[in-house]
Formats: sequence, structure tokens, C-alpha cells
Amino acid sequence: AQSVTQLGSHVSVSEGALVLLRCNYSSSVPPYLFWYVQYPNQGLQLLLKYTTGATLVKGINGFEAEFKKSETSFHLTKPSAHMSDAAEYFCAVSGADSSYKLIFGSGTRLLVRP
Amino acid sequence: SQTIHQWPATLVQPVGSPLSLECTVEGTSNPNLYWYRQAAGRGLQLLFYSVGIGQISSEVPQNLSASRPQDRQFILSSKKLLLSDSGFYLCAWCRGISYEQYFGPGTRLTVT
Repeated sequence: AQSVTQLGSHVSVSEGALVLLRCNYSSSVPPYLFWYVQYPNQGLQLLLKYTTGATLVKGINGFEAEFKKSETSFHLTKPSAHMSDAAEYFCAVSGADSSYKLIFGSGTRLLVRP
Repeated sequence: SQTIHQWPATLVQPVGSPLSLECTVEGTSNPNLYWYRQAAGRGLQLLFYSVGIGQISSEVPQNLSASRPQDRQFILSSKKLLLSDSGFYLCAWCRGISYEQYFGPGTRLTVT
């Protein structure tokens, strides 16, 4: 069965520090993996995705993630946090049927301290 | 380009009243459509999805129902709202050949 675990419901970093948001997945088939960001009272916006090919994926706003099959991980990173990065981040894995469902993690709220 | 709309943006309804939330997608045809709910401080819960007109699949049995009367229109309904129906409702779509979902702006529902 497909599942996603995001370690840490809240992560706090200083402005300019490295951002690391953790995501581990379980999948019975080769996964497609996604990171979404949600700002308060808004819908989710796609940050980046892994489908096939290069395991290091670059997204918008300077974020990137690396697919590590051996570790079943897809952690999100950004070298230098900006105040505008404060938001909730969701990791998702593809389902295993023709509905094209995504299975979402419970989310990580990123706080950026000035 | 594709656009997804949801309305209303906010809604305050008394317990026991009916509900109708609408989602419309522009710029694509035959999309897969999804309704999610976010309760306060919680993650995303998939409620319903549809892979075609009149085809609705329910993920969680509850006080809600969904319909897809037109190709790019997805409606979430309830006959009698409960307090527990409060939350942020999100509609999303994807092409039927891809898992990449695109989300609408959401509807904030408060049941009083």
C-alpha cells in the first residue's frame, strides 16, 4: 500500500539557514513523488516532482529534492531560507491504480525566524 | 492555459442546513477531478474523485456527496451539515495520464 511519512510537523529555521524537510514513502510500484506548498488560506501549489530519470529534482523558489530509492526518501531542501518560505509543505506519492490519486503526508509547517 | 475555480470562497452555514460547493476547470477536457478536506491543523483528506462524467468514487463514508454533471464541473453537496463538516475544501484536477494535480483556491466552510 502507498503511504507517506513526513517527519516533524513543525520545522523552525533562521533566515539564511538550510531548509531540510523530510519525507519517506512506501510504494508497491515505482513511485512518482511530489512536493507541494500551501500558504495560509490558499490552495496547494506544486513545488517539484519526480517521475523518472534524474534523481535530483529542481523546483520553483530554489527548492530541490533527491529521490533515494534505497532509503525510500524524497527530502526537500533549500540552501538558504527566506521569510517568504514560511508555509506548510506536503509530500505526496502516486497511488497504484488508474484513478491517479495522490497519497499525501500530514504536512510540515516551516517557520522562518528573522 | 488551464484554470480551476472554486466558489464560494467562504461560507458560514448553520447545522442542519444544505451545502453546495462548486468547482470548475477551464482549458482542458476530460480531467480527473478530486475533492479534499482539510480540518483545522490537519492534513489533506481525499473525499471523492471522478474520472469521468457521472463517475464518482467515495473515499470516506460521511455526510457528503459529490456529482459531476458536466465534464469540467464537480459539485460537493450535503443535505444536512454537521459541525464536523467545518474545514477548508479543496478541489483539484489532473490529466488522466498524469499524477500531477493542480489545486483550486479552496472554500472555507464554517458550520455554526
